[in-house]
Amino acid sequence: GAGVSQSPSNKVTEKGKDVELRCDPISGHTALYWYRQSLGQGLEFLIYFQGNSAPDKSGLPSDRFSAERTGGSVSTLTIQRTQQEDSAVYLCASSLAGGGNTEAFFGQGTRLTVV
Amino acid sequence: AQSVSQHNHHVILSEAASLELGCNYSYGGTVNLFWYVQSPGQHLQLLLKYFSGDPLVKGIKGFEAEFIKSKFSFNLRKPSVQWSDTAEYFCAVNMIGKLIFGQGTTLQVKP
Repeated sequence: GAGVSQSPSNKVTEKGKDVELRCDPISGHTALYWYRQSLGQGLEFLIYFQGNSAPDKSGLPSDRFSAERTGGSVSTLTIQRTQQEDSAVYLCASSLAGGGNTEAFFGQGTRLTVV
Repeated sequence: AQSVSQHNHHVILSEAASLELGCNYSYGGTVNLFWYVQSPGQHLQLLLKYFSGDPLVKGIKGFEAEFIKSKFSFNLRKPSVQWSDTAEYFCAVNMIGKLIFGQGTTLQVKP
């Protein structure tokens, strides 16, 4: 597709269940970012992939959160044993290069609700 | 630690008023700077960016921003806001590849 695609757009899950969120970046973009957007909290950096380099996981809030990027394209963010405080919109972005001098394009996000 | 701060969390203006939103970052190395806007129900959209050269950059919808390296600032300005500018505005700084966002500023423009 022409833009960054995220699925599902909405997810309601029970506390304690695992969830997987998917991101399809723009074709050819080597950099991929995950963010969490909570009300009044801005965009919280979670993880950053750049090409074949080891990802920067410094923003992951706990070991319940993990992400992978297969074949340098699609990425999956996994949250294990979800908690109510995990409820937020999870945004994915991609850019042509990770050096910083290119624009990041965002998906529409996945709204996660933990009940 | 690397961080980005936006000073104004909620701004209310009347149409035709001038706007300035503050943004500061903490990082001593080379940075690339961005402002994004998120209108209700819309994707984040790039307003403008600074990579190098003239520190005064112009973006879409009449917005501009000035990079002041000595102050680690990248403030967003618009001379005359419109009702359609009501949205949330995010400053972002790319530091060694990692793109960090500020907390965002909600702008409400009254007609």
